[in-house]
Amino acid sequence: EDQVTQSPEALRLQEGESSSLNCSYTVSGLRGLFWYRQDPGKGPEFLFTLYSAGEEKEKERLKATLTKKESFLHITAPKPEDSATYLCAVRQENYGQNFVFGPGTRLSVLP
Amino acid sequence: EAQVTQNPRYLITVTGKKLTVTCSQNMNHEYMSWYRQDPGLGLRQIYYSMNVEVTDKGDVPEGYKVSRKEKRNFPLILESPSPNQTSLYFCASSLTGVGNQPQHFGDGTRLSIL
Repeated sequence: EDQVTQSPEALRLQEGESSSLNCSYTVSGLRGLFWYRQDPGKGPEFLFTLYSAGEEKEKERLKATLTKKESFLHITAPKPEDSATYLCAVRQENYGQNFVFGPGTRLSVLP
Repeated sequence: EAQVTQNPRYLITVTGKKLTVTCSQNMNHEYMSWYRQDPGLGLRQIYYSMNVEVTDKGDVPEGYKVSRKEKRNFPLILESPSPNQTSLYFCASSLTGVGNQPQHFGDGTRLSIL
């Protein structure tokens, strides 16, 4: 069964304390892996698309990487405003196939 | 501004009273979809549409209907809502239904069925 898991479920960091979030997937024919940020009461906000193993994308304090089985979202020197739930999703090869979302990692960055 | 707009944002209603949640996008996207988000279950896709007049079931379609008569609009219809449909609903769109384009989400509709 196609599956996307994320770990940890929740993470508390001190401001400036770098860490990584994990997204593991078992899908056939990966069309893309996506990272989103979701703030309470808001819709997910797109961050990155990764498609090929070895690919990396960066945006401010965030860097996403992809292997054949997992993706990492590295957060360098986080700030309190980085606090949010981070979701990963995969899109599969089949025509019209939906996105499959992971359960998310709830990140809290304390000042 | 490119956006996905959902209405209403909040709705409290009663069991059995038909309701429609509207979704509109201004990006000329072909692909649109509906999700529900529940604690502990994450985002689950209800229905999606590859283009006008082309719709298909997602993972949790029971109790919902959709239609896609125009490219920009993709309403979600609950013909006889029940309490287990109380949830946070999101509409999303992407340029096409294939490839690696990301989906862009609306701000959500919080639905309570009493």
